[in-house]
Amino acid sequence: AQSVAQPEDQVNVAEGNPLTVKCTYSVSGNPYLFWYVQYPNRGLQFLLKYITGDNLVKGSYGFEAEFNKSQTSFHLKKPSALVSDSALYFCAVRASNDYKLSFGAGTTVTVRA
Amino acid sequence: SAVISQKPSRDICQRGTSLTIQCQVDSQVTMMFWYRQQPGQSLTLIATANQGSEATYESGFVIDKFPISRPNLTFSTLTVSNMSPEDSSIYLCSVDHPALTDTQYFGPGTRLTVL
Repeated sequence: AQSVAQPEDQVNVAEGNPLTVKCTYSVSGNPYLFWYVQYPNRGLQFLLKYITGDNLVKGSYGFEAEFNKSQTSFHLKKPSALVSDSALYFCAVRASNDYKLSFGAGTTVTVRA
Repeated sequence: SAVISQKPSRDICQRGTSLTIQCQVDSQVTMMFWYRQQPGQSLTLIATANQGSEATYESGFVIDKFPISRPNLTFSTLTVSNMSPEDSSIYLCSVDHPALTDTQYFGPGTRLTVL
C-alpha cells in the first residue's frame, strides 16, 4: 500500500518570506512524486514531479521540491512567497510500476500581504 | 499539457436523481481517471477508464452507482446514480499526459450539490 502524509493542515507566511509545505510518503519500490495546487473553484494544476535524477526539481511559478530518500520526504519550497500563492496544495505518490496516484490530505497555504 | 474540459461545471440536484458528467480531452489518451473530492477532503480515485474495456473500480465504488463510459480516446462520462446528499462533492477527471505518461493532468472539476 502507498500513502502520503502532509502533517500541516495550514501554513501561513508573509509575502516575500520563504514557503515550505511538508510531505512524507510510503510506497513499495521507487517512488514517483508529485505536487499539485488547487485554487478555489478550480481543478488541480500540476506543479512539479520527481521521477529520477537530480533530487532537487524545479517546477512552475518558482516552486521547487527536494526528494530525500532516507527521510522519505518531498517537501515543496518557494524562496519568496506571493499573495497569489495562497491555495490548497496536494502531494501525491505512485509506485513506478503502477498508475494509481495516492494523495495527501492537502495543506492550505495563506500568504498575507 | 493536455487541455481537459468538464461539463457541467456545477449542478444542484434532487436526491434520487442521476447526473452524467462529461470529460473531453484535446488529444488522444490511453487512460482516463475519475476522482471524488468530498468537502474539505483529499482526492479519492473512483475508477480508471480505458477505451474499449470495462472501467476498473476502486474499493468502495461500484458500477451501479457510478457507471462510466469511454467510447473513444478523447471522451468519457461518469454518472452519479440515485443521488443522496452524501454524493455532494467535486468530481474530477484526469488523464495520463499523452507525451509524459507518468503525469496525470486534471480537468476543472464538476461541483455537485445534492439536496
